[in-house]
Amino acid sequence: AQKITQTQPGMFVQEKEAVTLDCTYDTSDPSYGLFWYKQPSSGEMIFLIYQGSYDQQNATEGRYSLNFQKARKSANLVISASQLGDSAMYFCAMRARNSGGYQKVTFGIGTKLQVIP
Amino acid sequence: NAGVTQTPKFQVLKTGQSMTLQCAQDMNHEYMSWYRQDPGMGLRLIHYSVGAGITDQGEVPNGYNVSRSTTEDFPLRLLSAAPSQTSVYFCASSHRDSRAWYFGPGTRLTVT
Repeated sequence: AQKITQTQPGMFVQEKEAVTLDCTYDTSDPSYGLFWYKQPSSGEMIFLIYQGSYDQQNATEGRYSLNFQKARKSANLVISASQLGDSAMYFCAMRARNSGGYQKVTFGIGTKLQVIP
Repeated sequence: NAGVTQTPKFQVLKTGQSMTLQCAQDMNHEYMSWYRQDPGMGLRLIHYSVGAGITDQGEVPNGYNVSRSTTEDFPLRLLSAAPSQTSVYFCASSHRDSRAWYFGPGTRLTVT
C-alpha cells in the first residue's frame, strides 16, 4: 500500500525567511513520482513541483525546491524567501502503481503555512 | 483549452437524494480521479480511472459510483446522499507518468 505522511499540521515563518515542510512516503513501486501542491484560501489546487524517483537531481522551481532523500523516503519542500502570499495549505502527494498495476495519486493531510510580516 | 471543468460549483441535497457531479477535461488525459477534501483529512481518493472503460476504487469508495465511457468525462454519482458526504469534491486528470496532475475548481456539496 502507498502512504504519504505530513506531520506538521501548522507552521509559522517570518517573511523573507526560508521554511521546510516535511513529507515522508512509502510505496513498493520503484517508479514513483512525488508532487507538492499549494491550496490558498480561495480553494484551488496549484501545482508547485515534481520529483521522479529516478531523477538524479533535486527538483527546483523558482523559490521552491524539493529535498529528495530516497533512502529515508522523504520529500521535503523548501520555500526560500517566504512571502505573505505563500500563506496557504500545502499538500504532498505521490503517484505510484498499486498491486493491480494501476497508477494512482494519494495525498497527505497537508500543512498550513502562515507567513508573518 | 478549458482544462478540467467541474459542475456544479455548489450543491445542497437532502438526505436520500441522488445526484451526479460532472467532470470533464479537454487535454486527452488517460488518467482521471475523484477526491474529497474534509478538514484535517487532506484529499482522499474516492475512485480513479486509467482510461475509458477502466475504473478502480480508491480509499473511500462507499456511497459513490463512477463510470468512464469517454476519455473526456468522468462523472461521480451519489446514489443516496448522506450527511457524511458533505465535503468539497475535486476532480483531477493527467497523462500517464505525467509530472503534473491538473485539478478542477471543486464542487462544494452539502447534504442536510
